[in-house]
Amino acid sequence: NAGVTQTPKFQVLKTGQSMTLQCAQDMNHEYMSWYRQDPGMGLRLIHYSVGAGITDQGEVPNGYNVSRSTTEDFPLRLLSAAPSQTSVYFCASSYSYAYTSTDTQYFGPGTRLTVL
Amino acid sequence: GQQVMQIPQYQHVQEGEDFTTYCNSSTTLSNIQWYKQRPGGHPVFLIQLVKSGEVKKQKRLTFQFGEAKKNSSLHITATQTTDVGTYFCAGRGNNAGNMLTFGGGTRLMVKP
Repeated sequence: NAGVTQTPKFQVLKTGQSMTLQCAQDMNHEYMSWYRQDPGMGLRLIHYSVGAGITDQGEVPNGYNVSRSTTEDFPLRLLSAAPSQTSVYFCASSYSYAYTSTDTQYFGPGTRLTVL
Repeated sequence: GQQVMQIPQYQHVQEGEDFTTYCNSSTTLSNIQWYKQRPGGHPVFLIQLVKSGEVKKQKRLTFQFGEAKKNSSLHITATQTTDVGTYFCAGRGNNAGNMLTFGGGTRLMVKP
C-alpha cells in the first residue's frame, strides 16, 4: 500500500491564481480530510468527507472547495489564491468517522504552498 | 466550539532528562490521540486513549487520559536525540459530528 499520497510537494502561486492539490489513498478509507498547518501552529481542519459524494466544512473552509467523486481521491481546490493561504497542506484518511471511532488518521507527506 | 490547548509550546532539554507535555480540552472528550511530527515531516500517529484514567506506555513514553476525560499528558523518560520533534494531541468531542481538534503542539528540542 502506498498509503496517503499528495501532489505536488511544493507549489508557488501568484495572488489570484487557482490550483488543485491532489490527495489519494489506497486503504479503502471512508473518511478523508484536509488540514492546513501554519508555522509554529497546530493543524486546522479545512474540509472533510465521510464517504464518496459527501463533504462538509471544517474549521477554516473559506477560499477552498472540495469534492469526493471516488473513495480514493479527495482534491482540494484553491479558487483565487491569497497570501494568507501560504501554508503546508496535509491530507489525512481513516477507516471511519463516527464520533465514537477509535481509528487513527494517516497523514500524507504534505504540500508546501507559497502564494506571492 | 471545542478548543484544545497544549503546553508548553516549546521545551529544551538535555539528553537524558525527562519531558512532559500537557493537553487540556474545553469540553469532555470521547477519545484523544497523540501524534509526533519530525521537522519537515508529517504527523505520525503514536497512540489513542479512550477510557477515563487510562494510562498507556510505549517504551519510554507514558500517556495518560484524565479522569474527567478533559485532559491528557505525554511523558518521555530519559529523552534521546531521536525524540526531537513536535508532539500534538488531538481530541474528539463527545457528540455526533464533533471533529478531531488538534492542540497547538509542543516542540521538543534535545541537546546532546
